[in-house]
Amino acid sequence: AQTVTQSQPEMSVQEAETVTLSCTYDTSESDYYLFWYKQPPSRQMILVIRQEAYKQQNATENRFSVNFQKAAKSFSLKISDSQLGDAAMYFCAYRRKISNFGNEKLTFGTGTRLTIIP
Amino acid sequence: KAGVTQTPRYLIKTRGQQVTLSCSPISGHRSVSWYQQTPGQGLQFLFEYFSETQRNKGNFPGRFSGRQFSNSRSEMNVSTLELGDSALYLCASSSGQSYEPTNEKLFFGSGTQLSVL
Repeated sequence: AQTVTQSQPEMSVQEAETVTLSCTYDTSESDYYLFWYKQPPSRQMILVIRQEAYKQQNATENRFSVNFQKAAKSFSLKISDSQLGDAAMYFCAYRRKISNFGNEKLTFGTGTRLTIIP
Repeated sequence: KAGVTQTPRYLIKTRGQQVTLSCSPISGHRSVSWYQQTPGQGLQFLFEYFSETQRNKGNFPGRFSGRQFSNSRSEMNVSTLELGDSALYLCASSSGQSYEPTNEKLFFGSGTQLSVL
């Protein structure tokens, strides 16, 4: 079974600074997807960024980027120029990549609560 | 386009009762997944429906069931509620129609917060 571990329950960063959230995972699969989701107080899970395991290049979305180390099974999220609106719970998630029938589940980590200090 | 709508937002029930939660996916989406979120267990997959058929199921007891209607709206039912069923229940939808469904983006609703007393 796949597992996702987030070892930082809480992180804080000064506004406009850079912060990195850590995530490790365990899987025997060779092809899969990794995600970072953000859950603000509104409770809605919002996709921040996605990485496909077979792609060597790290994904980026504006101020958000990842450091994907496949051999180490590590998938960290870097948030640059932190803004007050970035304050939320951040979840790392894993999904197997299958091309047959069915929408494979997401396996989530336990989350990291990010606080932005004005 | 309206997002994923879950009703009600909050629900309070007592042990032994049953409850039904509703999820309306984004228009045109045919896949609906349900997740349970608790402080202790985190986010766990319950089940996924596509075109009124359950395609995948997580490791939950039979008290948890669901269904999907022809308009893709989905309901989740929990019978004989236990205190441990108190959780945020999240619904997510996706198109579900591509050859690689796992390549599709999931859109989540804001959840239903269930409290069991």
